Amino acid sequence: NAGVMQNPRHLVRRRGQEARLRCSPMKGHSHVYWYRQLPEEGLKFMVYLQKENIIDESGMPKERFSAEFPKEGPSILRIQQVVRGDSAAYFCASSPRQGATEQYFGPGTRLTVT
Amino acid sequence: GENVEQHPSTLSVQEGDSAVIKCTYSDSASNYFPWYKQELGKGSQLIIDIRSNVGEKKDQRIAVTLNKTAKHFSLHITETQPEDSAVYFCAANTGGFKTIFGAGTRLFVKA
Repeated sequence: NAGVMQNPRHLVRRRGQEARLRCSPMKGHSHVYWYRQLPEEGLKFMVYLQKENIIDESGMPKERFSAEFPKEGPSILRIQQVVRGDSAAYFCASSPRQGATEQYFGPGTRLTVT
Repeated sequence: GENVEQHPSTLSVQEGDSAVIKCTYSDSASNYFPWYKQELGKGSQLIIDIRSNVGEKKDQRIAVTLNKTAKHFSLHITETQPEDSAVYFCAANTGGFKTIFGAGTRLFVKA
C-alpha cells in the first residue's frame, strides 16, 4: 500500500520559468492538501482540493500559483514565473474523506529558484 | 484565526533522558491535536494525536498531554534514542480541514 507520492523530489528552476509539482494521494484518498515550508519554519497551508474541486485556496498567493486535482491523475501545484522567494519545500498530504482530520504526508518537493 | 506557538525551537538531550516539547493554541474551538515527526529529506509522519475529550494519551515512549483550559498541549518522549532526532511539529485543528502547524522543534539526541 503505497503512501503519498510526490515528484519530482528536487526541482531547480530559473527565475521566470514554470514549476509543476505533482502529488499522488494514498490509495482510496480523494482529498489533497498542499503546504509550503520555508527553512526553519512550520508547514503553511496553501490549498485543499477534492477530486475536480478546489475547496479552500485561502493560503495560496493570488497570482502565479494554481492547483488542480483532476478526476484522473495526480494533483498538480503549478507556479508560474517563479521568483527566488518561491524556493521552499512543498508538501502534499492526503486524507480519506471530508472531515477526516488525519493527514498523511508525502516526502515533499524541494524547489530551488536560481 | 488559529495560531499555534511551539517551544523550544531547538532541544538537545542526552540519550536516555526525556524530552518535552510544548505548544499553545489560540482558538478554543480546536479539538484535535496531532504531532508529526519530520526526518531529514522526508515528509512528516503522524506519531501521536489527542482529541479534546481526553487529557492524556500514551504510546510506548511517547505521550501527549492536553490542558484545554490553558490551551496548551505537550509532547513527552522518554528514554530518548538517537533515532528520535528529528524535527517535531505540533498542530491544532478545529474539526474542519484546516490544520495549523507550529514552527517546529529540532530535537538532537546525543549518544
